[in-house]
Amino acid sequence: DTAVSQTPKYLVTQMGNDKSIKCEQNLGHDTMYWYKQDSKKFLKIMFSYNNKELIINETVPNRFSPKSPDKAHLNLHINSLELGDSAVYFCASSQGASLTDTQYFGPGTRLTVL
Amino acid sequence: GNSVTQMEGPVTLSEEAFLTINCTYTATGYPSLFWYVQYPGEGLQLLLKATKADDKGSNKGFEATYRKETTSFHLEKGSVQVSDSAVYFCALRYTGNTPLVFGKGTRLSVIA
Repeated sequence: DTAVSQTPKYLVTQMGNDKSIKCEQNLGHDTMYWYKQDSKKFLKIMFSYNNKELIINETVPNRFSPKSPDKAHLNLHINSLELGDSAVYFCASSQGASLTDTQYFGPGTRLTVL
Repeated sequence: GNSVTQMEGPVTLSEEAFLTINCTYTATGYPSLFWYVQYPGEGLQLLLKATKADDKGSNKGFEATYRKETTSFHLEKGSVQVSDSAVYFCALRYTGNTPLVFGKGTRLSVIA
């Protein structure tokens, strides 16, 4: 049973295209996140949703738009892809948004923009 | 601001060697501290955590103690195995409704 799943695992696309990455969690958690991991393995938060409401929106180009149709899903849509968007994108979830809540990560989606 | 500093890698050790990966933090208030591990080709997994000063987190032979006086959370293991080869991330969360703030990761390679 996969707790946090993402699709696709790999995504190769051309510059200028629009693409989506899907994330689902079956843990019953209220809070979900998107992180970006660059080529040097540095991880940075992009967005966080709590009960389908956006609670964290870091400095991310507005070409990136998260959508949470329900508490179990948080999708990431990216418009007009650029070379610099190439990275591994991780979805995560936690029971709540408190200080001690553990975040559980998905396997990642490796995006390559050509 | 809130940040985490980890020792630069890569770290290469022989099997059964002692491991220490240093982690220090800067944060307002009293953060929770975490170590995550990323095995090749996989997502991050929580390795251990500590939520208040002097707490010790432990899992799979790894330990880390929350030291408020030195703002540190060093990861240790007495005897590493080849299967411990991975990237290790130290992270903090400084208040509710905030994301994890990660260090840059330390790659560990254990050779037989």
